[in-house]
Amino acid sequence: DIQMTQSPSSLSASVGDRVTITCRASQSIRSYLNWYQQKPGQAPKLLIFAASSLQSGVPSRFSGSGSGTDFTLIISSLQPEDFATYYCQQSYRSPWTFGQGTKVEIK
Amino acid sequence: EVQLVESGGGLVQPGGSLRLSCAASGFTFSSFWMSWVRQAPGKGLEWVASIKEDGSDKYYVDSVKGPFTISRDNAKNSLYLQMNSLRVEDTAVYYCAREPAAEGTFDYWGQGTLVTVSS
Repeated sequence: DIQMTQSPSSLSASVGDRVTITCRASQSIRSYLNWYQQKPGQAPKLLIFAASSLQSGVPSRFSGSGSGTDFTLIISSLQPEDFATYYCQQSYRSPWTFGQGTKVEIK
Repeated sequence: EVQLVESGGGLVQPGGSLRLSCAASGFTFSSFWMSWVRQAPGKGLEWVASIKEDGSDKYYVDSVKGPFTISRDNAKNSLYLQMNSLRVEDTAVYYCAREPAAEGTFDYWGQGTLVTVSS
């Protein structure tokens, strides 16, 4: 199975900050990488698919990059509604696997 | 508007069975792969199973192969997960998710249903 490792596991940031979350795959997954946002008590929401494509309706302050084994999610200017847990997930080979999550908290 | 509504969760003893359902609306259900993804309390996400548009192909994570069966009824726009021989470690919120084109990307999720396996 492909292992996905995110860093950091948690971070504290202020509104307006630029936030960077990284995700590493245990083997090359080309660009088959998705990012999800999950708020407490809610279902995950797809933010970015295929490493860098923004899902419809997602604000442009979210962006993704990377290929192979190393990927990045950037929130260019953190907003109050962005405090949540973010998960990366590989869609290269079944079983589909997720990172352990990065919790973005208010500083 | 795409809607996925899960039901059927609850408290069950170890070794017991439970059948989850997911009612879909707002899209052509029979044109999409569908999946179940679970999340143990305070933990991360784990893909459980996926089923092809017509039900002819099914895939499972190794840990549930055998005890769990995914199925669908396209006439009723419904997805199911039959869970047998439940273990304490199967305790989780189970989400129904749409998986376009079997690409392993989950673009819409239900609100989840909690399954608690405990004596």
